[in-house]
Amino acid sequence: KQEVTQIPAALSVPEGENLVLNCSFTDSAIYNLQWFRQDPGKGLTSLLLIQSSQREQTSGRLNASLDKSSGRSTLYIAASQPGDSATYLCASPTGNTGKLIFGQGTTLQVKP
Amino acid sequence: EPEVTQTPSHQVTQMGQEVILRCVPISNHLYFYWYRQILGQKVEFLVSFYNNEISEKSEIFDDQFSVERPDGSNFTLKIRSTKLEDSAMYFCASRLTGTGVGEQYFGPGTRLTVT
Repeated sequence: KQEVTQIPAALSVPEGENLVLNCSFTDSAIYNLQWFRQDPGKGLTSLLLIQSSQREQTSGRLNASLDKSSGRSTLYIAASQPGDSATYLCASPTGNTGKLIFGQGTTLQVKP
Repeated sequence: EPEVTQTPSHQVTQMGQEVILRCVPISNHLYFYWYRQILGQKVEFLVSFYNNEISEKSEIFDDQFSVERPDGSNFTLKIRSTKLEDSAMYFCASRLTGTGVGEQYFGPGTRLTVT
């Protein structure tokens, strides 16, 4: 049974800092891993999807990596800005239906 | 760019009432999902739907819940007799089938408040 964990639960950094968010999963036989952003009280915005055959995926200041053997994915945010403040979720599809199993999220605060 | 839409954005209902949450998935997608997120908790899977039938449901998805795809575009989640603990954000998602498992696209959510 796939379990997804995100540590830390919260992170506060000064503006301009580069940072890494962590995501761990128990079943290394994953199809892919999706990273989402969620603003307070809002929906889920898909940021990056990294396929099991990939090691990295980049979009702007975001870079996601995937290491299946260690059961880890990281989301790297370069030159953080106050507008990056949000909760970041990772999720992996599992089973025949591809339902997503979510981590609990890391709430990021970028201070001006 | 195609997107998943959901209505209403916020629904307030009294305990014991029936509610229907509506979703319009991306038009050429074939797999559909409902998830929910209780305030401060993880996003949880409720049900998946493919080929006009439920393909998987979680233990949360009991007899009070049902899903339908009444026409070629809408996908609905019905809660027959709402309880206080049904208060949550409900997300609809869809994906295009194909080899492997593709990206799921989420709607903006419906916030359900049961009083």
